[in-house]
Amino acid sequence: DGGITQSPKYLFRKEGQNVTLSCEQNLNHDAMYWYRQDPGQGLRLIYYSQIVNDFQKGDIAEGYSVSREKKESFPLTVTSAQKNPTAFYLCASSFGRADTQYFGPGTRLTVL
Amino acid sequence: GNSVTQMEGPVTLSEEAFLTINCTYTATGYPSLFWYVQYPGEGLQLLLKATKADDKGSNKGFEATYRKETTSFHLEKGSVQVSDSAVYFCASPSGNTPLVFGKGTRLSVIA
Repeated sequence: DGGITQSPKYLFRKEGQNVTLSCEQNLNHDAMYWYRQDPGQGLRLIYYSQIVNDFQKGDIAEGYSVSREKKESFPLTVTSAQKNPTAFYLCASSFGRADTQYFGPGTRLTVL
Repeated sequence: GNSVTQMEGPVTLSEEAFLTINCTYTATGYPSLFWYVQYPGEGLQLLLKATKADDKGSNKGFEATYRKETTSFHLEKGSVQVSDSAVYFCASPSGNTPLVFGKGTRLSVIA
């Protein structure tokens, strides 16, 4: 089965700790994306990558970092510099930047 | 850049009622337009899309027509079911941003 997986579904961390969210796809897509979803605010783009070893900041990149060492994987690190990290994080992928994006099931991060 | 505005919810309808969720965009060109649906606790799923003026996207009884003259892409369904209860997002590319999303419209359908 082809698709996008995100793990874990729920994640709890103490304030001040960095945490890395996993995103893997086996759709052979070149482009991958990370979004943050807060109640009543829709989705906001954090980072995206169009190709391995390259990525661009989105609208709310501050306090986050990413890497793209493999085509299939695009992990997101929420650093202690992110002032309000509690949110629902969604990963997506597409063949190209202009193509339809397909989403993973999301990870709900709660910082205590 | 392009921005997307959709009607705010929540929208509550009885089963078999007609649904319209409005979406407008601001781009002067011909951006692709998308509707995504999010069921509780899940990621987004593509519902339908249109890539040029007058295109009609359709899926699962939902339809939306790309109207350049009104810069709109309203989502419609003739007879909603309880299983259609979800949050619906309109989206479109904007400049360097691959997709910008509306704030979402929560639909609740009651039996």
